[in-house]
Amino acid sequence: GAVVSQHPSWVICKSGTSVKIECRSLDFQATTMFWYRQFPKQSLMLMATSNEGSKATYEQGVEKDKFLINHASLTLSTLTVTSAHPEDSSFYICSAQGGGANTGELFFGEGSRLTVL
Amino acid sequence: GDSVTQMEGPVTLSEEAFLTINCTYTATGYPSLFWYVQYPGEGLQLLLKATKADDKGSNKGFEATYRKETTSFHLEKGSVQVSDSAVYFCALSHNDYKLSFGAGTTVTVRA
Repeated sequence: GAVVSQHPSWVICKSGTSVKIECRSLDFQATTMFWYRQFPKQSLMLMATSNEGSKATYEQGVEKDKFLINHASLTLSTLTVTSAHPEDSSFYICSAQGGGANTGELFFGEGSRLTVL
Repeated sequence: GDSVTQMEGPVTLSEEAFLTINCTYTATGYPSLFWYVQYPGEGLQLLLKATKADDKGSNKGFEATYRKETTSFHLEKGSVQVSDSAVYFCALSHNDYKLSFGAGTTVTVRA
């Protein structure tokens, strides 16, 4: 199947710094990517929908200035957590909507664990 | 709004045991229903899906039937293996690729 890769897989940062997480579709073009956040023992919560070449669409309650999403190419979307604080510590997961033979199927990255000290 | 409730884990089983993970949902209209699996160190993968009432999704020995009357999509496997150890997520979507997930159920199968 298609592969989606996230980097870094884990990151520790100091409070007040910004952290960028990359999501890449390795063998297909993804016009749409989704960013999720998962708290321990809780479900994945959709944060935003990222469309290549346009502004992301954020879910209600998600601060767009806090979580900057850029989808500059058909294979890369980035999530930047700005001025991170301990409450931003979480597991962030991206998914990409496949094309070609995989049209309509979603492929998930392995997730990125952020710890803010 | 949409929501998915699945049985809490963790679930620990012996090899060849029968596995059931309950999943119920609340949604308007007729959503599609999914089971995703996450093996250790990997991303979520689609395990099976059903797009309308009474459909049965199946894959790798797992099955789930879309029951609209009980708003359920329970996952079953008749004989689990150690390699089935993973976290299983029930989810729904209104075909806009926005998935609403359950909390996930961790399954551990012991040899």
